[in-house]
This record gives sequence, structure tokens and C-alpha cells, in this order.
Amino acid sequence: DTGVSQDPRHKITKRGQNVTFRCDPISEHNRLYWYRQTLGQGPEFLTYFQNEAQLEKSRLLSDRFSAERPKGSFSTLEIQRTEQGDSAMYLCASSAGTDPSGEAQYFGPGTRLTVL
Amino acid sequence: KNQVEQSPQSLIILEGKNCTLQCNYTVSPFSNLRWYKQDTGRGPVSLTIMTFSENTKSNGRYTATLDADTKQSSLHITASQLSDSASYICVVSPWIKAAGNKLTFGGGTRVLVKP
Repeated sequence: DTGVSQDPRHKITKRGQNVTFRCDPISEHNRLYWYRQTLGQGPEFLTYFQNEAQLEKSRLLSDRFSAERPKGSFSTLEIQRTEQGDSAMYLCASSAGTDPSGEAQYFGPGTRLTVL
Repeated sequence: KNQVEQSPQSLIILEGKNCTLQCNYTVSPFSNLRWYKQDTGRGPVSLTIMTFSENTKSNGRYTATLDADTKQSSLHITASQLSDSASYICVVSPWIKAAGNKLTFGGGTRVLVKP
């Protein structure tokens, strides 16, 4: 499978614990995006990488959230001191090209987080 | 504030019937509009992408239309199948040359196809 993969697919954790999600983009895609999606809503942008550089962060990304893409390939999203409001589907997407506003993004299956 | 509004929020149709989903947006200036299909528990999958100069684009039984003057788009599903049951999300991209992501997602329309 050469699509975007995410791990784990599901995560249940207790409030206050830290969690880390991984995203493997389509190989050779230089852009990687993280989104959060709650039930019945469209995805909301969290952050964006071009290669290893984190170029943009949404104000939704509080200090408890951190994302990395150390080698410009896979990325991790860590949430520290989880809260019940963090419960959501976390989607990763990747794209390639010269115009991020014009190119298609390919989404992974998502990681569903439940904070008890 | 840039917004994308979709209607209806949900609909139920019988297998074999057609349906049309609506998307109204206020994003301006506008670069392109995309429709995604999202199965339950899965990530969105791109169906169509249209620039402001395109009026219609088809992908199999899915046909998207765009009226950039009225800022409206529709997604028409022909001869629906059970596998069409999913959420359909309208996504609008503004005309921004700086590197970054400014996609605005609609809330989606949940379609349920019944036999």
C-alpha cells in the first residue's frame, strides 16, 4: 500500500496522559498536514510541514500539542496532558507539487483518540 | 471569515436514485474547490478538484458543478449505490501564493443509500 498510513488507528487514554501519533506520507510527497476532526464536522487544520520545516500552525494547536517531521519523511503528533476535549479523529495528509493551494491532498485513515 | 456551508446536513436515498448536494462558500479570492468522500472511520478521499475557470467535472457517477459568480457548487450522484453511503465534504482553497495551507472545509453532508 503506497498511500498515507497512520498509527495507531485507535487510542484510548486517561485524562492527563501523553499520547503520540505517527504519520507516514506518500513517499516523495514533500508536504505533510495534520488535521483534527470531531464527529459530524469537517477537518480543522492544525499544522503543516514542507520537508522537515514546520511552516504553519493553527491557533488550535495549543502548547500541549507538538508536531515534528525530523527527516522530512514521517511525522509525529504528540499531545501532552490530554484533556477530554482532545477526543477526536486526527487526520494526516500529504501532497506534492509547487502550489500547496492548488494540489490535491491525500489523507490517511486517521487516528481516533478517546480521552476518558 | 471564510466559510463553507453545505446542505443538506444529511439525506437518505434509495439505491438507484440520484441526488444532489450543495456547497456555498464565501472564500475570496478563490483558487479551487474540491469534493471529498469520507467513509465512516476513514480519511477523506478526493473525488474532484475544480479551478475557478471550470464549470463541471466528472468522476464516474459523480459530477461536480461550480458557479464562481454565485460561489456555489453542487455534487450530483447518479444511480446511487450502497457504497455511496458516506460523508461528502466540500473544500475551498483561497488564492494565496505564500506557502501554507488555507483550505476551508465544509461540515459535510452525510448520505445514506438504502436498498
